[in-house]
Amino acid sequence: SQTIHQWPATLVQPVGSPLSLECTVEGTSNPNLYWYRQAAGRGLQLLFYSVGIGQISSEVPQNLSASRPQDRQFILSSKKLLLSDSGFYLCAWSPGTGGNEQFFGPGTRLTVL
Amino acid sequence: AQKVTQAQTEISVVEKEDVTLDCVYETRDTTYYLFWYKQPPSGELVFLIRRNSFDEQNEISGRYSWNFQKSTSSFNFTITASQVVDSAVYFCALSEAPHGGTSYGKLTFGQGTILTVHP
Repeated sequence: SQTIHQWPATLVQPVGSPLSLECTVEGTSNPNLYWYRQAAGRGLQLLFYSVGIGQISSEVPQNLSASRPQDRQFILSSKKLLLSDSGFYLCAWSPGTGGNEQFFGPGTRLTVL
Repeated sequence: AQKVTQAQTEISVVEKEDVTLDCVYETRDTTYYLFWYKQPPSGELVFLIRRNSFDEQNEISGRYSWNFQKSTSSFNFTITASQVVDSAVYFCALSEAPHGGTSYGKLTFGQGTILTVHP
């Protein structure tokens, strides 16, 4: 069966510091991968998606970037965090063919102080 | 543009009551998918169901049932005999069909409905 991992689970970072959140998927090949942000416990905002290694599409221009160095690895980064980057970050995957249902990881709760 | 509206911000019921969560969607696509997700206090979104636009049959899974009506662009979710463990935020979502030679279809989420089931 497929599983998706995210780490760290929680993170407290000062403004201006860098960020790296990692997501890995097991048990599937060539998945579509996604990063979402959820602010204030409501509403999910799609940040990035990837349909293959090195292929990244950004949905919202912002202070963040994403990379996919391996088939089942998706990384969310920032060079300098802003207060507004605080939130709950969710990684998700979907099968490479059909369906479109997305399966979510446990999330990372980021607080920028 | 796609849009999903969950008009009920919060619902509070007592255990064993039935509860229906409403979802209304807008899309110009003729082929699309509808979803429901559950987000318990732990935060992880749990996939509950997917429906494609050509399948209007209602579905039942245990205490959960879904009513898809294309005529009213609605995809409502009913929990029968609710339990405290059903307390969560529930999201309805809409996805366009894959296009452009890829399998990617953007998922548009509603704002969610907070369901609280009291003992």
